[in-house]
Amino acid sequence: DTAVSQTPKYLVTQMGNDKSIKCEQNLGHDTMYWYKQDSKKFLKIMFSYNNKELIINETVPNRFSPKSPDKAHLNLHINSLELGDSAVYFCASSQETGGSPLHFGNGTRLTVT
Amino acid sequence: GDSVTQMEGPVTLSEEAFLTINCTYTATGYPSLFWYVQYPGEGLQLLLKATKADDKGSNKGFEATYRKETTSFHLEKGSVQVSDSAVYFCALSGRSQGNLIFGKGTKLSVKP
Repeated sequence: DTAVSQTPKYLVTQMGNDKSIKCEQNLGHDTMYWYKQDSKKFLKIMFSYNNKELIINETVPNRFSPKSPDKAHLNLHINSLELGDSAVYFCASSQETGGSPLHFGNGTRLTVT
Repeated sequence: GDSVTQMEGPVTLSEEAFLTINCTYTATGYPSLFWYVQYPGEGLQLLLKATKADDKGSNKGFEATYRKETTSFHLEKGSVQVSDSAVYFCALSGRSQGNLIFGKGTKLSVKP
C-alpha cells in the first residue's frame, strides 16, 4: 500500500479556474505538509499541519488554502489559478514536527495554460 | 535563518566512478541532517540521515558524516551505478521548526 498518496498525478487547467489536490497518508503520522517544486527542482514548504491544526503557513498567496478534515488527510485548494502556479506539488508526512524524516507522495504536476 | 547550500549540478559520471556531492549548512542549534533522492517522475525518498555531530548515515552504498566543525554533510559513494541517476537533495531540520529546509538539489547522471 502506498504510504502517502496524492491525486491527481497530472492536472492541466486554464487560468482563472479553481482546482483541488488531495492527499492521504496511512502511516499514522501527526504532521502533514505541502511543498512546491519549481521547474528548477527547488523545493519550498507551503503549509504544515499537525493534528489538523495549521502550524506553518509560509508566504503563499491566499488563493491557496489547505484543508485538513482529519489527521490522515491534507487537501490543497487553489482559486483563480495563474500561469506561475504551474509546478509539481508534493504532499508529505512525518511522525513529529522536528527532526523526523518526511515521507513524500509522488507529486501532482499542475500545468496552467 | 537556517539554510543549506549544495554543489550545483548537473554531475555526470561514468559507471563505477567515485561520487561526492558537497553540502554545507547554516543553522542555529543542533539540526538533524538528511539526504533525499528523487528519481525521475517520483517523490523524494529518504536516503540517509544523521542526528548529531560525528554521526555517519549510510544506505545503499552512500555515506555522509555530520561534521559540526565544518558545518558539512557531504554525500559520497565509492562506485556509482546507472541506477543512481537521480536528483539528490541535502536538507536540515531544526528543533524549532516544523519542516525541512532543502538545498537546491544536484542532478546526477551516470553513464554506462
